[in-house]
Amino acid sequence: AQSVTQLGSHVSVSEGALVLLRCNYSSSVPPYLFWYVQYPNQGLQLLLKYTSAATLVKGINGFEAEFKKSETSFHLTKPSAHMSDAAEYFCAVSGGDTGFQKLVFGTGTRLLVSP
Amino acid sequence: NAGVTQTPKFQVLKTGQSMTLQCAQDMNHNSMYWYRQDPGMGLRLIYYSASEGTTDKGEVPNGYNVSRLNKREFSLRLESAAPSQTSVYFCASSPGTSGNEQFFGPGTRLTVL
Repeated sequence: AQSVTQLGSHVSVSEGALVLLRCNYSSSVPPYLFWYVQYPNQGLQLLLKYTSAATLVKGINGFEAEFKKSETSFHLTKPSAHMSDAAEYFCAVSGGDTGFQKLVFGTGTRLLVSP
Repeated sequence: NAGVTQTPKFQVLKTGQSMTLQCAQDMNHNSMYWYRQDPGMGLRLIYYSASEGTTDKGEVPNGYNVSRLNKREFSLRLESAAPSQTSVYFCASSPGTSGNEQFFGPGTRLTVL
């Protein structure tokens, strides 16, 4: 079965610093990969997705992620953190033996941004 | 468009009580989903409906039932609530084809005493 591992349940950065949130997946076939963001007391909102086109995917709010098949990774980055980026971020995968209609989520990484 | 709506937003139940969580989407999506979110565990799929008239179990279906009432609506029922079902419940929908993302509702926070 497919799985997603997000390294670090909490990541702290200073405002203006680089944001790097890590995601590794396991899949027997090329998957579809997603990053979602959840602000406090809200539902999940799509940041970006990889669907086998360009390996560098740009999303909303200045975030991007790079699909690296050799490393089975899909890390999320943003060059300069803003206070408004403080939220919980989830990586998810679909496709392969899970089927494309279901998403398997990682356990999430809470991003803390200090002034 | 409202997207995905859920009712109620909050609910407190006593052990053994029953309730139904309602979900509706106005995007003409084929697939709908129910998840629960617990601290440190991400989102776990309870049930899903790939298309109108079908439902399937997800990762954690025990203690729940679902009904796909029509293409727009997908309800989740707790027949006899237990404290272990205290959680935040999210409904989502998707066009249902390869590579499509899921769109989430705002959630229902349920406490079972």
